[in-house]
Amino acid sequence: GQNIDQPTEMTATEGAIVQINCTYQTSGFNGLFWYQQHAGEAPTFLSYNVLDGLEEKGRFSSFLSRSKGYSYLLLKELQMKDSASYLCAVRDRDYKLSFGAGTTVTVRA
Amino acid sequence: EPEVTQTPSHQVTQMGQEVILRCVPISNHLYFYWYRQILGQKVEFLVSFYNNEISEKSEIFDDQFSVERPDGSNFTLKIRSTKLEDSAMYFCASSFERSTDTQYFGPGTRLTVL
Repeated sequence: GQNIDQPTEMTATEGAIVQINCTYQTSGFNGLFWYQQHAGEAPTFLSYNVLDGLEEKGRFSSFLSRSKGYSYLLLKELQMKDSASYLCAVRDRDYKLSFGAGTTVTVRA
Repeated sequence: EPEVTQTPSHQVTQMGQEVILRCVPISNHLYFYWYRQILGQKVEFLVSFYNNEISEKSEIFDDQFSVERPDGSNFTLKIRSTKLEDSAMYFCASSFERSTDTQYFGPGTRLTVL
């Protein structure tokens, strides 16, 4: 089966940086995704990594190490609207997307 | 910007009744998916669909579930005889390709089984 682990909760101050780690063990690997989900809403795509290294997209960056089964999402210059759940999802060899339980980030003023 | 749409936004049904959840994927996308999220739990894959047939399905997607693309735009999920434990948020997603493309999610249908 798939095993995707990420911290349950993180709290940070407005303007700060937060790093959300994700480790995974899956049957095959065809890419890792990060989604943002506000309460009661659909997941919204943030980033995609399939090769090792850092992908930067504005205030959000995502890193992948396939050999370590590890990724992180870096959120810079935190804003109050960034308070949400951040979902790590891995696409396996059958191209199914398996999600972690999500990390709830609370941004405080 | 193109988006996935879903109807209804909220469906309340009695246990044992059939429900059909509807989705309109992004128009040029070829791969379609259903996921569910029980309140407070993680998003779970149900089924993927391509070229008018199921590509992959999870253990959750048993004989009570079926999917259909009845016309060129709609993609439906049917639950034949709903159970209390089917209460969840159901998300439809679509992508242009399977191997390289991102899946875009619809706003979801909240299903409540009484």
